[in-house]
Amino acid sequence: AQSVTQLGSHVSVSEGALVLLRCNYSSSVPPYLFWYVQYPNQGLQLLLKYTTGATLVKGINGFEAEFKKSETSFHLTKPSAHMSDAAEYFCAVSSSSNTGKLIFGQGTTLQVKP
Amino acid sequence: DSGVTQTPKHLITATGQRVTLRCSPRSGDLSVYWYQQSLDQGLQFLIQYYNGEERAKGNILERFSAQQFPDLHSELNLSSLELGDSALYFCASSVDGDRYYGYTFGSGTRLTVV
Repeated sequence: AQSVTQLGSHVSVSEGALVLLRCNYSSSVPPYLFWYVQYPNQGLQLLLKYTTGATLVKGINGFEAEFKKSETSFHLTKPSAHMSDAAEYFCAVSSSSNTGKLIFGQGTTLQVKP
Repeated sequence: DSGVTQTPKHLITATGQRVTLRCSPRSGDLSVYWYQQSLDQGLQFLIQYYNGEERAKGNILERFSAQQFPDLHSELNLSSLELGDSALYFCASSVDGDRYYGYTFGSGTRLTVV
């Protein structure tokens, strides 16, 4: 069975500082991994995804994530935080079955301080 | 606007009642997914439909049912509502039903059971 663990339910950074949101996964098959962002009172928006190929994945809004198989991790980073990055971030892994079902982590709320 | 339309945006109803949530997928998407988001359970997969057929089932209660119609819109029916059913219900759609693409989410229906 697949599972996702996001380390830290709340992360606080200063504007301009590095953003690092941690995600570890468990999967019995090669995983497809996703990061989504949810702004208040909105749905989830796809930030980036890893399926196959290059392990460093670039997404929207300056975010990127690196798939590390040996560490079963898919951490999300951004070199310089902006106030508009404040939101909740979800890591997800695809189901091993032939469906589009995603298993989501519990989410990490990112706070950006001026 | 993500292209996935959910109605209504808000719903307040009493315990024991029945409600129907509606979702219109993004144009060209054949697969529809329903998720429940609550503070204690996080994002939980309920059910997936692909081109009118049920593709995958998750933690969906027997009091809940769904269907996808020939025009590809979907409805989630919740009956004998309990206080614990209060949550955000998201619909998402994807081009096909497999694990590759990730989803486009709607903005959700906030259900409050009183």
